Amino acid sequence: GDSVTQMEGPVTLSEEAFLTINCTYTATGYPSLFWYVQYPGEGLQLLLKATKADDKGSNKGFEATYRKETTSFHLEKGSVQVSDSAVYFCALDTGANSKLTFGKGITLSVRP
Amino acid sequence: DTGVSQNPRHKITKRGQNVTFRCDPISEHNRLYWYRQTLGQGPEFLTYFQNEAQLEKSRLLSDRFSAERPKGSFSTLEIQRTEQGDSAMYLCASSDAQFQADTQYFGPGTRLTVL
Repeated sequence: GDSVTQMEGPVTLSEEAFLTINCTYTATGYPSLFWYVQYPGEGLQLLLKATKADDKGSNKGFEATYRKETTSFHLEKGSVQVSDSAVYFCALDTGANSKLTFGKGITLSVRP
Repeated sequence: DTGVSQNPRHKITKRGQNVTFRCDPISEHNRLYWYRQTLGQGPEFLTYFQNEAQLEKSRLLSDRFSAERPKGSFSTLEIQRTEQGDSAMYLCASSDAQFQADTQYFGPGTRLTVL
């Protein structure tokens, strides 16, 4: 079945550090890929998405490129801020019903 | 656009009791999803509605679980004879899906604790 694997966390960085959060997937067909973020005390929010190979999703300084050859969708940001502290989930969607399959999530803490 | 709302936000119940949660999607969103999230895990799909029709149910949804969306607007999720293993965050999401990969908007969730 479809699955998403995220790197183990938590991750702690200093402000302005470079961020990479790894995500790989297994899916039949051609999935769409997503990053969702959950800030403390809030619900899940879509951060970015990519719907086909080589697409780059971007939002709020975050980027992720859909790599079909490596089945990956790694999240990057050049300079993190304290306000980026949150839980980040990678997810995919393969079917006509658009149900999402999520990874376990990773907690990012950014210290001043 | 007031977003997806869920009620109650928290529910504590004793094992064996029945509970019902409500989800109000974004107005005129035709798709509505229920997910369950346990501590340290990502959300897992439970079931999905297109308008009032329940089109897919996960094998995670045992016979004790039932969901409805009677008029294609709000939805309810009922758990009968709750068990401690049902303790989780129950999330609702909606989308105005015309095509694959339309954005799902999530509510804040209902946290269920079964004692």
